Amino acid sequence: AQTVTQSQPEMSVQEAETVTLSCTYDTSENNYYLFWYKQPPSRQMILVIRQEAYKQQNATENRFSVNFQKAAKSFSLKISDSQLGDTAMYFCAFILGTGTASKLTFGTGTRLQVTL
Amino acid sequence: DAGVTQSPTHLIKTRGQQVTLRCSPKSGHDTVSWYQQALGQGPQFIFQYYEEEERQRGNFPDRFSGHQFPNYSSELNVNALLLGDSALYLCASSLAQGYGEKLFFGSGTQLSVL
Repeated sequence: AQTVTQSQPEMSVQEAETVTLSCTYDTSENNYYLFWYKQPPSRQMILVIRQEAYKQQNATENRFSVNFQKAAKSFSLKISDSQLGDTAMYFCAFILGTGTASKLTFGTGTRLQVTL
Repeated sequence: DAGVTQSPTHLIKTRGQQVTLRCSPKSGHDTVSWYQQALGQGPQFIFQYYEEEERQRGNFPDRFSGHQFPNYSSELNVNALLLGDSALYLCASSLAQGYGEKLFFGSGTQLSVL
């Protein structure tokens, strides 16, 4: 079974600064995908970034980038130039790249507060 | 382009009752998954529907059942409600065309069992 661990329950960052959220996972599979989702107070889960395990290059989406270390099974999210609208719960998630179903396994989340 | 829509947004039930939650997938999507998110936790996979069949199921009892309609919309039914069923229920849609496809989520239904 796959597991996802987020060891930082809460983080705080000042506006315009950079923050890194940590995530580790455990799997015996070699083909999988990793995601970071953002959940603001509206409760909707919003996809932030996606990483294919077979790609060595780290994914980037505007101010969001990841540091994917496959051997260490680590997948951290870096948010640059933090904005007040980045305040939310952030979930790391894992999905196998084989099989016929799309079952996401989530971590317990990190609550990020962006302050003035 | 309409995203994933869920109804109702909030629901209050008492123990032992039955509840039905509804989900309309994002336009063009054919696969619907349901997740349960307890307070302070990450979402947990309940099951997934594709072509009106349950394709995969998480570790949830048979009290949780579902259905997918020909227009790809879906329902989640929970019988004999327990206090522990209180949670946010999220619906996600996707395309069943490959691996690691992106899931798009609705805003959820907040279920409170008293």
